[in-house]
Amino acid sequence: EPEVTQTPSHQVTQMGQEVILRCVPISNHLYFYWYRQILGQKVEFLVSFYNNEISEKSEIFDDQFSVERPDGSNFTLKIRSTKLEDSAMYFCASSGDRPGELFFGEGSRLTVL
Amino acid sequence: GQQVMQIPQYQHVQEGEDFTTYCNSSTTLSNIQWYKQRPGGHPVFLIQLVKSGEVKKQKRLTFQFGEAKKNSSLHITATQTTDVGTYFCAGLVYNFNKFYFGSGTKLNVKP
Repeated sequence: EPEVTQTPSHQVTQMGQEVILRCVPISNHLYFYWYRQILGQKVEFLVSFYNNEISEKSEIFDDQFSVERPDGSNFTLKIRSTKLEDSAMYFCASSGDRPGELFFGEGSRLTVL
Repeated sequence: GQQVMQIPQYQHVQEGEDFTTYCNSSTTLSNIQWYKQRPGGHPVFLIQLVKSGEVKKQKRLTFQFGEAKKNSSLHITATQTTDVGTYFCAGLVYNFNKFYFGSGTKLNVKP
């Protein structure tokens, strides 16, 4: 069964450092998303991406965040200068339709020290 | 702003008892989805409801979408220990490409 894959599974970084989280969505999907989940809390929307551009973003997704689909398969989330409060599990998701089932990856746990 | 509220936050049941979680939106939704997240896992899609008043069943799970498309419920009949996890609703607002997740209901089932 096709799946969304994410790397790294866990990243520990110092405050102020840049972090790139990588995702490989399901190959024929067109809609891509990043969500985050602070431990024990709800899943929060960050950004949606379609046709090589951001279609929606949340208040959380400020200038420190950016997304890219550099080569037609990877979908990356960059945090330019990490803060302590960026510590969370970051989930990538993709969908073949809108609205459609979101296929989530296993997540990348980010710990900012 | 758009909010999707979910109650209860936690539910502890004895195996064999029923369980229900409720989801309410501050605005009318285009559709609603339900996801299950096992401890330490990622959300896994369960179902999508689109029509006003729609009811769908999956074995012991019954999903409803309210007539006004602002609320939804998930009911599990005769819970089993494999039902343990957090159940999230996620609503899609018309003309937006983002799902608003509810706060989740964490279900614990005692054998």
